[in-house]
Amino acid sequence: EAQVTQNPRYLITVTGKKLTVTCSQNMNHEYMSWYRQDPGRGLRQIYYSMNVEVTDKGDVPEGYKVSRKEKRNFPLILESPSPNQTSLYFCASSPQDRVYGYTFGSGTRLTVV
Amino acid sequence: GESVGLHLPTLSVQEGDNSIINCAYSNSASDYFIWYKQESGKGPQFIIDIRSNMDKRQGQRVTVLLNKTVKHLSLQIAATQPGDSAVYFCAERPGGYNKLIFGAGTRLAVHP
Repeated sequence: EAQVTQNPRYLITVTGKKLTVTCSQNMNHEYMSWYRQDPGRGLRQIYYSMNVEVTDKGDVPEGYKVSRKEKRNFPLILESPSPNQTSLYFCASSPQDRVYGYTFGSGTRLTVV
Repeated sequence: GESVGLHLPTLSVQEGDNSIINCAYSNSASDYFIWYKQESGKGPQFIIDIRSNMDKRQGQRVTVLLNKTVKHLSLQIAATQPGDSAVYFCAERPGGYNKLIFGAGTRLAVHP
């Protein structure tokens, strides 16, 4: 089944403790992206990648890092999480570098206390 | 369930009625638009898309209308069903950019 898989689905952590949210897609998509979703707001882009070793900042990149060492994986790293990063996170992928609609993962609910 | 639906505008319809969800987009240079459906606890799912050189596109039970003059997008759902209950997002792709910009969303509540 073609899909984007995120792990974990739920995570509660403490301020300052580094964490990684994994994302993997099995569709051989070039384009991958991370979004955060907060109550009453649309999805806001954190980082995106157009291909292996090519990443760039989205609209809200502060406090996040990403890497794209392999085509299928695009982990999101929070080096020192803070409570304002409590949110619902989505990974998405697209089959070409001109975005024609994403396939989204099921989301990761992160709570930072 | 997820709390992303808090504070969103809500459209309540009776089962079997037609629904119209509206979206105002921001960038007159946007060349591509998508509607997504997000059910509780799930990621957004693609519904239908439209390019800026079109003003109407139809799918199965759904129609998207684009009015570039007033930068307005609408999603029409025919014979709305309980399974259509969800949050609906529009998204635009600014011309020349490899990204989508999402609207805040509208909650659709279908009552029997």
